[in-house]
Amino acid sequence: EVQLLESGGGLVQPGGSLRLSCAASGFSFITYAMTWVRQAPGKGLEWVSAVSGSGDTTYYADSVKGRFTISRDNSKNTLYLQMNSLRADDTAIYYCAKLGYKFETSGAGYWGQGSLVTVSS
Amino acid sequence: NFMLTQPHSVSESPGKTVTISCTGSSGSIASNYVQWYQQRPGSAPTTVIYEDNQRPSGVPDRFSGSIDSSSNSASLTISGLKTEDEADYYCQSYDGTNWVFGGGTKLTVL
Repeated sequence: EVQLLESGGGLVQPGGSLRLSCAASGFSFITYAMTWVRQAPGKGLEWVSAVSGSGDTTYYADSVKGRFTISRDNSKNTLYLQMNSLRADDTAIYYCAKLGYKFETSGAGYWGQGSLVTVSS
Repeated sequence: NFMLTQPHSVSESPGKTVTISCTGSSGSIASNYVQWYQQRPGSAPTTVIYEDNQRPSGVPDRFSGSIDSSSNSASLTISGLKTEDEADYYCQSYDGTNWVFGGGTKLTVL
């Protein structure tokens, strides 16, 4: 059974940093691309970032480019999102999701339960 | 920028059929796969359609997806509506660089 468990969310001040983790199990982690999607309170889904199975290729939404870094540790079956220079509009639930083999041609097959990030002073 | 436009809300009675549209702003929506996600209140999204018209295991065949190139749109059709289908539905595709989500459609089953 595929399981994705996010952690690392919390309250952070504007300008601060936070690292989210997503522990994966139930599938061959290295084989699949992974992605982060967020949802601000009362709003729709917004794509944030994605990474290839090997970790060699990364993708970012313009809204987070230069501030967020996606990475993965295939030896630990874990996906990360390092978030720096956080702003109030980064406040959201952050979901990790398992993709297919390639980010460009696949959607999310499985989703985690999400981790809430609140940016406020 | 490529955008996907969905109706804000739709409503229908139990047992009926509803179709939710997702219209691409430019280019050809058929150029990249469209996915549909269901999100019930307070829950994470789940996938109900991938690669335009494929159902993940466990998703009932009451859910179907299609592409209409003439209107540059994708559609999610839910037949035999049940109260448990009441949720927000999002379409998603790829614009050559990034993922793009539609704004979401709130389905009310009443």
